Amino acid sequence: DAGITQSPRHKVTETGTPVTLRCHQTENHRYMYWYRQDPGHGLRLIHYSYGVKDTDKGEVSDGYSVSRSKTEDFLLTLESATSSQTSVYFCAIRGRAAGYTFGSGTRLTVV
Amino acid sequence: QKEVEQDPGPLSVPEGAIVSLNCTYSNSAFQYFMWYRQYSRKGPELLMYTYSSGNKEDGRFTAQVDKSSKYISLFIRDSQPSDSATYLCAMSGDSGAGSYQLTFGKGTKLSVIP
Repeated sequence: DAGITQSPRHKVTETGTPVTLRCHQTENHRYMYWYRQDPGHGLRLIHYSYGVKDTDKGEVSDGYSVSRSKTEDFLLTLESATSSQTSVYFCAIRGRAAGYTFGSGTRLTVV
Repeated sequence: QKEVEQDPGPLSVPEGAIVSLNCTYSNSAFQYFMWYRQYSRKGPELLMYTYSSGNKEDGRFTAQVDKSSKYISLFIRDSQPSDSATYLCAMSGDSGAGSYQLTFGKGTKLSVIP
């Protein structure tokens, strides 16, 4: 997707281990978001950022933390991964118009 | 009651049909209304967005917003097999960082049969 990349694309990890997902944008946009997508629940907001070092919680933030030390990077950390955090994680940026651009997603499996 | 309700389908139509997709919402603060299309194992992509009430047309796609009824619609004319995807409605406010976050419907899975 133009201007936004997520890494890794796939990851399998063990219960109890910390995991960090990265979102990188080249658009210099202020607002960045982390969502998770699960069957039956749709897309749910985990955390968002409105500037460097400015972040806030979303609907499903328990067990997750974020950091944004540079405009272009927004990191999502699962502090101690659990099976309930098996999901597809999407990063998004809000452009000058209201629409979001989403990354291609990270498929995370916690075993 | 969820803030945004969307019939999950699945919806199956023949090629060339007119498709109607709908969402209802409860939060009066929503001002931006969007439709996203998501192909299997891909990220959502923005199809259309509307600010406040009214209609917007883009090719075969028409988005309608009725704020008085808290109801939004997406119409697809002359549907094609390539339109087969999950369609997500999404909404946000317009008054600062906290209100800009999008609230999504759960998505409607559409199949267009050749």
